[in-house]
Parts: sequence; C-alpha cells; structure tokens
Amino acid sequence: EAGVAQSPRYKIIEKRQSVAFWCNPISGHATLYWYQQILGQGPKLLIQFQNNGVVDDSQLPKDRFSAERLKGVDSTLKIQPAKLEDSAVYLCASSLSLRGYSYNEQFFGPGTRLTVL
Amino acid sequence: SQKIEQNSEALNIQEGKTATLTCNYTNYSPAYLQWYRQDPGRGPVFLLLIRENEKEKRKERLKVTFDTTLKQSLFHITASQPADSATYLCALSSFSGNTGKLIFGQGTTLQVKP
Repeated sequence: EAGVAQSPRYKIIEKRQSVAFWCNPISGHATLYWYQQILGQGPKLLIQFQNNGVVDDSQLPKDRFSAERLKGVDSTLKIQPAKLEDSAVYLCASSLSLRGYSYNEQFFGPGTRLTVL
Repeated sequence: SQKIEQNSEALNIQEGKTATLTCNYTNYSPAYLQWYRQDPGRGPVFLLLIRENEKEKRKERLKVTFDTTLKQSLFHITASQPADSATYLCALSSFSGNTGKLIFGQGTTLQVKP
C-alpha cells in the first residue's frame, strides 16, 4: 500500500515570502494531521482534519498559517508571510480514526524541510 | 501546563544489551500512549500503543510499560542491534475534547554500537 506522500521535500525561501506544502494521505484514511517539528523537538500538531472538517487547530498560528482539505482527501498547508522561526520540518500524517479519536496509529509522510532565510 | 519529558541525552549501548528509554509526564491524564521511531530525514514510524488500563505490551524485541501512578512509561529493546539506532518518540493522548490529540515528547536518540 502506498504511504503518505508529501511535496516538496525541501524548500528555501526568504522571510516574508509565502510557501505551500502538499500532502496526499493513505487511501481511505479519514483523519489527516499537519505537524511542525523543530530541530531537536518532537512533532507539534498544527491542525487535524476529520474528512474535510477541522477537528483541532488550536496551535495553528492563524495570522500566517492556513490549511485546507478539499474533498476530504489531499491537503495543503500554507504560510504567508513566513518568519525565520518557521524553519522546521512540516510533517503530514493520516490515520483510520473514523470518529476523530487518535487512538489509531498515525502514518507519517517524509516531511518537507523548510528553511527561511 | 502539560509536559512530557524524555531523556534529552543520547543513550549509547553495546550491541546485544537491553536499551531502556523513559517517558515521564506531568499535569496530564492520558488514555493511551504510543511509541514511534524516527530515522534522520524521515517521518516517525509507529511501534506500539498501550492503553491506561494495560500495564505492559510486547512486540517481538520491544516491550512497553505504562505506570499511571508514577506517570511514566518505559520502552525496552532487548538484544539491541546497530539497526535499532534512531530517535524514539513517546506520544500521549486523552479522550478529552473529542479529538484524542497526540502530544509528543522531544525524543531520545539511541545509538547501538557493534
């Protein structure tokens, strides 16, 4: 079975520019997550979708970050404008959890490494 | 505030020995706990899940314990191999808020020397 796909793998931008990341979850997985992982830290949840609805976005910096999951399948995460502290790996994950509960294992993509100069 | 702590220093052990990694938490009542493995440049990979009413879980050379009184989980790898070298993340979740959101520790890096 194909895993979680993400693109691009690497991105370098100047501060104040915008950037977008794309994620295609495992087929049939209802729940999709975007995490931010800063070097030396564990992943931090930014937003969680159940099908195409937002379940949790409490840690998403909404003044600059936005995400959507059209048709309940793939998703995009956008940063506009980027700041230096946004430099991190952005991980997408998906799980089967049909009712939004995360007690199913999560399957992670390879991540996008963002460098903001 | 909720806090999850894993050994911040890397754990170096000899091949064949048992590696023991610790995950401590405060101000939290998790319903379950998961352990993930992360290799450099890759996303985390799920290893084991243990629920609050389970004391111990095993899978091949892996064993996880969960002590809700001590607020601690231990993760053991027996007969360790150089291929086990990676960063290991613990993640906790509760059922509150209807999302079961996972909160990750910062991870412990394990180095198994041949």
